[in-house]
Amino acid sequence: RKEVEQDPGPFNVPEGATVAFNCTYSNSASQSFFWYRQDCRKEPKLLMSVYSSGNEDGRFTAQLNRASQYISLLIRDSKLSDSATYLCVVNILGYQFYFGTGTSLTVIP
Amino acid sequence: ETGVTQSPTHLIKTRGQQVTLRCSSQSGHNTVSWYQQALGQGPQFIFQYYREEENGRGNFPPRFSGLQFPNYSSELNVNALELDDSALYLCASSPEVGAGYTFGSGTRLTVV
Repeated sequence: RKEVEQDPGPFNVPEGATVAFNCTYSNSASQSFFWYRQDCRKEPKLLMSVYSSGNEDGRFTAQLNRASQYISLLIRDSKLSDSATYLCVVNILGYQFYFGTGTSLTVIP
Repeated sequence: ETGVTQSPTHLIKTRGQQVTLRCSSQSGHNTVSWYQQALGQGPQFIFQYYREEENGRGNFPPRFSGLQFPNYSSELNVNALELDDSALYLCASSPEVGAGYTFGSGTRLTVV
């Protein structure tokens, strides 16, 4: 069983739409959680950390549900520039980060 | 503040050869990790170095080895290259163990 599971998509949404990505993790000892964004043939870039209380950064909202071992990312008012692959990341042992396979998003004009 | 830099950006090697990839950490970051990303997959953890010591390793064979230097730069060495080693190799640094990473732009290795 994979440590982190994501729906690979692709998600194709019109500009201005709201889109949500989900991610589940298998290890209840997981310590910290992140969403990364990766553009085609580029390196992953940290989008935001995810906290149990939920956190928001502009149009992006991340939620963590430890009981269900579930992480989500909500993007409101989608922009063309949001088109990318979104990677769910879980830190289990302090040093080892497990990445999901990523969810592909294309925002259509 | 400089980010994480990796060299070379692209590399083609023959099966059975050895390769060394290099990484300079972001200023102030004493932890460096290496990841392998195959096409269509998420990055897979190879190992992490903290203050010149390996402090964690993923499910990779011993022919994958590394070093971290006093200035926190790092190398990834792969011996006896196999075709399946073809991937994007990412170096990532963080200011402390467990904190979010900053990734370099990667080295794309092709083994033929």
